[in-house]
Amino acid sequence: GEDVEQSLFLSVREGDSSVINCTYTDSSSTYLYWYKQEPGAGLQLLTYIFSNMDMKQDQRLTVLLNKKDKHLSLRIADTQTGDSAIYFCAESRGLSDKLIFGTGTRLQVFP
Amino acid sequence: GAGVSQTPSNKVTEKGKYVELRCDPISGHTALYWYRQSLGQGPEFLIYFQGTGAADDSGLPNDRFFAVRPEGSVSTLKIQRTERGDSAVYLCASRKEMNTEAFFGQGTRLTVV
Repeated sequence: GEDVEQSLFLSVREGDSSVINCTYTDSSSTYLYWYKQEPGAGLQLLTYIFSNMDMKQDQRLTVLLNKKDKHLSLRIADTQTGDSAIYFCAESRGLSDKLIFGTGTRLQVFP
Repeated sequence: GAGVSQTPSNKVTEKGKYVELRCDPISGHTALYWYRQSLGQGPEFLIYFQGTGAADDSGLPNDRFFAVRPEGSVSTLKIQRTERGDSAVYLCASRKEMNTEAFFGQGTRLTVV
């Protein structure tokens, strides 16, 4: 199908790790992205991974890519209350390099 | 400006009216995208401009939607005969070139009553 899929909700305790999962559809996507959206704010690019990589680490963020299964995950270490937001995965598609977004995962961090 | 600017930030219009939404991309960014984000959904692609031309308009839902970018910088998304189902946040993004980061504006929240 055409959809990029994500689970809708994730709730974690402050200090724990969060793992947000995504499955995408286009095996030819060059880049895969994770965006963060806070209430009333625009989309903020968190990190991205090139399709020939398996893993990318950036401070508290770790992205894992399983190209065979078209599965992407974002791990946030030591999750803080400020990490509460909606997280979107996105794949680039086509000659226009347009982004195809998932439905978003709402991460709630409780103390 | 420092970022992508979209105006107005909020627009309320009556069903059947015409609206224009404006996007000011980052200076020097040749690629410009419009997306629409309905409540509880991820952004959906509408149209892509490379310079002045609409290189990919495959996401426009119907012929009531049209967009222009006459001088290769500012873009206007135009919606005719608005319907309640057009209510959403319309997002604009620009990037300097392919395979570089796309920067998003804050969006225009359109409400059709």
